[in-house]
Amino acid sequence: KNQVEQSPQSLIILEGKNCTLQCNYTVSPFSNLRWYKQDTGRGPVSLTIMTFSENTKSNGRYTATLDADTKQSSLHITASQLSDSASYICVVSSNTNAGKSTFGDGTTLTVKP
Amino acid sequence: NAGVTQTPKFRVLKTGQSMTLLCAQDMNHEYMYWYRQDPGMGLRLIHYSVGEGTTAKGEVPDGYNVSRLKKQNFLLGLESAAPSQTSVYFCASSYRKSPLHFGNGTRLTVT
Repeated sequence: KNQVEQSPQSLIILEGKNCTLQCNYTVSPFSNLRWYKQDTGRGPVSLTIMTFSENTKSNGRYTATLDADTKQSSLHITASQLSDSASYICVVSSNTNAGKSTFGDGTTLTVKP
Repeated sequence: NAGVTQTPKFRVLKTGQSMTLLCAQDMNHEYMYWYRQDPGMGLRLIHYSVGEGTTAKGEVPDGYNVSRLKKQNFLLGLESAAPSQTSVYFCASSYRKSPLHFGNGTRLTVT
């Protein structure tokens, strides 16, 4: 069964600090991995997408890494801001049909002043 | 450029009532998706479409129907609402096999 597990479930950090969120998956065959940011009351917004051959992708202060061999990904947030407070969701898509995207349960990040 | 627009934003139904949720995208995307999001759970796929006139079942399709008569619109119908369908519903669209742009959701309560 395809699964995506994220850790930690929740995280509290002080403004200006860095943090790293983890995503482990068992989805096969692998097509791509996305990280989304979901603000409270809003829809998810795509931050990065990585395919099998990519191991790092950046979007401003967000840097995602992918190790396709160990089936692990991380999202590193640098110099956190209050606006980074949100849920971060890892989604892994299979190379079969359009319906095969497996969502993680998300990590809730709270940035405090 | 509006992206993905969902209507309505909120709705309260009584058990047994029916309703249709509308999703519209202006990015000419082939793929469209309907998800539900419940507290403590990841988004779960209800139905999806790979192009105009085509639909397919996702992970939790029971109690829902969909139609994609026009490329830009994807409708989700509840024929006889049940309390278990209380949820936040998200529509998404993409040009590839993973959802890219999401709407801001429809919050549905069934009493």
